[in-house]
Formats: sequence, C-alpha cells, structure tokens
Amino acid sequence: EVQLVQSGAEVKKPGESLKISCKGSGYSFTSYWIGWVRQMPGKGLEWMGIIYPGDSDTRYSPSFQGQVTISADKSISTAYLQWSSLKASDTAMYYCARPKDRVVIAAFDIWGQGTMVTVSS
Amino acid sequence: DIQMTQSPSSLSASVGDRVTITCQASQDISNYLNWYQQKPGKAPKLLIYDASNLETGVPSRFSGSGSGTDFTFTISSLQPEDIATYYCQQYDNLPGTFGQGTKVEIK
Repeated sequence: EVQLVQSGAEVKKPGESLKISCKGSGYSFTSYWIGWVRQMPGKGLEWMGIIYPGDSDTRYSPSFQGQVTISADKSISTAYLQWSSLKASDTAMYYCARPKDRVVIAAFDIWGQGTMVTVSS
Repeated sequence: DIQMTQSPSSLSASVGDRVTITCQASQDISNYLNWYQQKPGKAPKLLIYDASNLETGVPSRFSGSGSGTDFTFTISSLQPEDIATYYCQQYDNLPGTFGQGTKVEIK
C-alpha cells in the first residue's frame, strides 16, 4: 500500500526551531516529488513547496520561500519541513502529499495524515 | 501566482439535490485543474483531476468540466456523506494554488 506517514503533533514556543517528517512507503520514494501544504485553523489549503528526493531539487512558493526549508533523506524515504525560528502565525496543520504523476506539479493523490504544529508562549 | 476564485464559499442543499461549484482561474490553465474533498479533521482527498477525470474509486455522482479559465464541479445527487469542504487546485504553473474552498452542508 502506498502511504505517507507524518510525525506527531508539536507544541513549541515562538523562536524555537522545528523539523517535522513525512515517511513514504509502498512505492519508489526517489521517483516521485513530495509536496507540503499548509492549512491554518479554519482556513483553506496553501501550497508551500515540493522536493524531488532523487536529487533534492526543491521548489518553493514565493509566499514560503525563506520562511521554511524543505529537505529529504532518500536513504530512509523521508521528507522534512523545518523552521529555524517559529512564529505564532506558523500554527497550522501541515500535510505532505505525493503527486499522481512523476512530475513536479500534478494532482496530489496520496496524502499524509497531517502534523499539527502549535506555536504559543 | 495564478489566483483561483471559487464560488460560492458555502452552500446548503437537500439530500438528492444537484450541487454545482465553480472555479475561475486568473489566467488560462488549459485543463490543469483538480478537485478535492476535505472532511473535518481529515486530509484532503482527490476526486477529479485534469478537470474532468474521475479518480479511481470515486462515486460517479461527482463530475467536473471546463477548460481555460472557467471550471465546474458537480454532485449530481447530494448524499449525507458528501458533507465536506471542496477545493479546486490549478497545476499549470508553480505554485499549485488552491481555491478558497466551498463548504457544503445539508439543509
């Protein structure tokens, strides 16, 4: 079964760093891009960025460029989303998702279960 | 970024009703348009890709149409389990922007 399993919920203070993960299984992890999508409480979906684990080619939405870092470790089939200094406005559910096709942009047909990040003093 | 404008933002309909949601792109995106369903507390689920192709396993009461800048998503006969928020998404250009969502409720 193709699936993405994300790390658990996090509660952090402003200014702290954080790295959340998304582990793929049931398919060739290095052959498909992995994207990240933000959903702030009660709000819609926002496309953040995407990485190709095969060579770590990464693309960011201009809205998120410089705000987060997307990376991947193909040896353990895991993609990451990290922050160096969290803000309260980073409080959101974060989903990883895999495109349906082996291209940088396509429909996301496989989704992780989501990781809730809460940033509060 | 390409802007995606969905309407309405919410709707209330009866079981068995035909429900239609529209999505307009700020520029021509050909047929590079997806539709997702998100139920409360769950990850989004792909329903329609390439504007009109039904994802495997999705009930045939869901359909999509359109090309260029104007797209339509239809539920032919609303069922109680269809209560959710629906999103369009363009994938003609990075970033793959989403519409703001349409919340569907039962009247």
